[in-house]
Amino acid sequence: DIVMTQSPDSLVVSLGERATINCKSSQSVLYSSNNKNYLAWYQQKPGQPPKLLTYWASTRESGVPDRFSGSGSGTDFTLTITSLQAEDVAVYFCQQHFSIPFTFGPGTKVDIK
Amino acid sequence: EVQLLESGGGLEQPGGSLRLSCVTSGFSFTNHAMSWVRQAPGKGLEWLSSITGSGGSSFTADPVKGRFTISRDISKRTLYLQMDSLTVEDTALYYCVKGNGESCYSPGDYWGPGTLVTVSS
Repeated sequence: DIVMTQSPDSLVVSLGERATINCKSSQSVLYSSNNKNYLAWYQQKPGQPPKLLTYWASTRESGVPDRFSGSGSGTDFTLTITSLQAEDVAVYFCQQHFSIPFTFGPGTKVDIK
Repeated sequence: EVQLLESGGGLEQPGGSLRLSCVTSGFSFTNHAMSWVRQAPGKGLEWLSSITGSGGSSFTADPVKGRFTISRDISKRTLYLQMDSLTVEDTALYYCVKGNGESCYSPGDYWGPGTLVTVSS
């Protein structure tokens, strides 16, 4: 199984500041045939189901604000929130959809300072 | 508008069975893979099983393989998860998830609100 790790476990950021979350996979999730990284980021607010933010590592889902961006390739990935808003308080998960079982990272909790 | 609504959760004794349902609308059911993901109270996300848009292929996580079975009824636009031999470790909120493509390797772009399964004597 591919093990997903995230850092930090939690993050406290001032409004308007940048938040950076890292995700690392134990094996590459880059599929050479199509040059796509099978890595997605989700946001989960309290009491709500997860919401897809980005997939293929860097493709933003429709309707997601452009302050959210995903980057990285192979085994190392980053989710960046360029200007944190109050509504971004949530837990953020990465997931590899490269090989079965499709594993999730443990989550990073983002709070406002 | 895409809608997913799970049902069938509840309190069940260890060793018992439950069948979860997920009624869908707002998208072409046969063109999208569907999955089940669960979240134990206060814990992270665990992928359980996925089925292709056509229903021709499915995959299930080893911890529940042989106990959980995914299926879909195209005429009813409904996804199912048959859960047998339940244990207390199966206590969780179970989400139905739509893939953004036909393949099981598609990321999940819509999630239902979840149905709570509690296994306890």
